[in-house]
Amino acid sequence: EPEVTQTPSHQVTQMGQEVILRCVPISNHLYFYWYRQILGQKVEFLVSFYNNEISEKSEIFDDQFSVERPDGSNFTLKIRSTKLEDSAMYFCASTLGEGALNTEAFFGQGTRLTVV
Amino acid sequence: QKEVEQNSGPLSVPEGAIASLNCTYSDRGSQSFFWYRQYSGKSPELIMFIYSNGDKEDGRFTAQLNKASQYVSLLIRDSQPSDSATYLCAVNQAGTALIFGKGTTLSVSS
Repeated sequence: EPEVTQTPSHQVTQMGQEVILRCVPISNHLYFYWYRQILGQKVEFLVSFYNNEISEKSEIFDDQFSVERPDGSNFTLKIRSTKLEDSAMYFCASTLGEGALNTEAFFGQGTRLTVV
Repeated sequence: QKEVEQNSGPLSVPEGAIASLNCTYSDRGSQSFFWYRQYSGKSPELIMFIYSNGDKEDGRFTAQLNKASQYVSLLIRDSQPSDSATYLCAVNQAGTALIFGKGTTLSVSS
């Protein structure tokens, strides 16, 4: 069964360092997303990506964040200068997205980011 | 501000009972409604989605949608200890991001 894969599963970084989280969405899906979940809190939307550009972003997704699809399979989230409050589980998701009725999002297993 | 509200629980039911999970949403333009299951430390796993008013059944799960009341629910029949998890309600409009509730923790005792 096709699945979304994320690497690494766990990343520890020092405050102020840059991190890149990687995702391989399901191959025929058209929309790609990053969400995050701070421990004990709800899943929050960060950004969506369609047709090689950002289609929607939340207020969390400030200038410290960027996304890229560097090739035909990978989808990355970069945090330029990490803060302690960036510590969270980051989930990549993808949807087929053709029309209103193909919006079921499938999630990767997540990357736990710990900023120390 | 688009909101999705869920009772955080915990909801405790004995094995074999019906578990009823509820969710309300604020955006009347919402078109798609999803239930995800999340085990501790794991990613959300899609278990049901519903687009139209009424009931949709899939095995032991039934999703119910009432757009007039802005209410969606999930019934789990014959609950099993393995159903113990946090259930996340999420809604969206076509092509937009999911808005999640905080989730309801379900505990099924054997």
